[in-house]
Amino acid sequence: KQEVTQIPAALSVPEGENLVLNCSFTDSAIYNLQWFRQDPGKGLTSLLLIQSSQREQTSGRLNASLDKSSGRSTLYIAASQPGDSATYLCAVNNLISNTGKLIFGQGTTLQVKP
Amino acid sequence: EPEVTQTPSHQVTQMGQEVILRCVPISNHLYFYWYRQILGQKVEFLVSFYNNEISEKSEIFDDQFSVERPDGSNFTLKIRSTKLEDSAMYFCASSEDRAGNYGYTFGSGTRLTVV
Repeated sequence: KQEVTQIPAALSVPEGENLVLNCSFTDSAIYNLQWFRQDPGKGLTSLLLIQSSQREQTSGRLNASLDKSSGRSTLYIAASQPGDSATYLCAVNNLISNTGKLIFGQGTTLQVKP
Repeated sequence: EPEVTQTPSHQVTQMGQEVILRCVPISNHLYFYWYRQILGQKVEFLVSFYNNEISEKSEIFDDQFSVERPDGSNFTLKIRSTKLEDSAMYFCASSEDRAGNYGYTFGSGTRLTVV
């Protein structure tokens, strides 16, 4: 059974710092992995999608990497800003499911202090 | 950018009542999903739906729940005889394909409070 874990659960950094959020999954047989942002009480905003054949994806100050064989993904945020404060979720789509079901981690809550 | 639209944004209902949560997926998407997130917990898969049939459902999705695509644009989740533990944020999502080659788009959610 696929399990997705995110470390750390919470992170507080001063503005301007570069930071890394971690996501690990137990079953490497995945179609893809997607990173989402969730603001308090709000929906999920897609940040980056990495296919199983890819190593990384970049969007602006965000870079996501995928090491499928070791069951790990990282989300790198460069030059963090207070507006980056939110919960970041990773989710994987298993090959075996074949129905599009996503399995989520519990998220990392990021606070960027001005 | 195309959006998944959910209504209402917040619903309060009495225990035992039936609720219907509504979603309008992105128009060219063929796969539809419902997830829920109990406060402080992970986002959990409930059900996936394709070609007017349920593709997969979780253990949570028991006889109390049903889904429907009544008119070709809306996608609904019905919860019969709501319980206190059904209080959660419910998210609708859609995708172009099953594998998520173009990602999954989520709505902003319906916060259901059962009192």
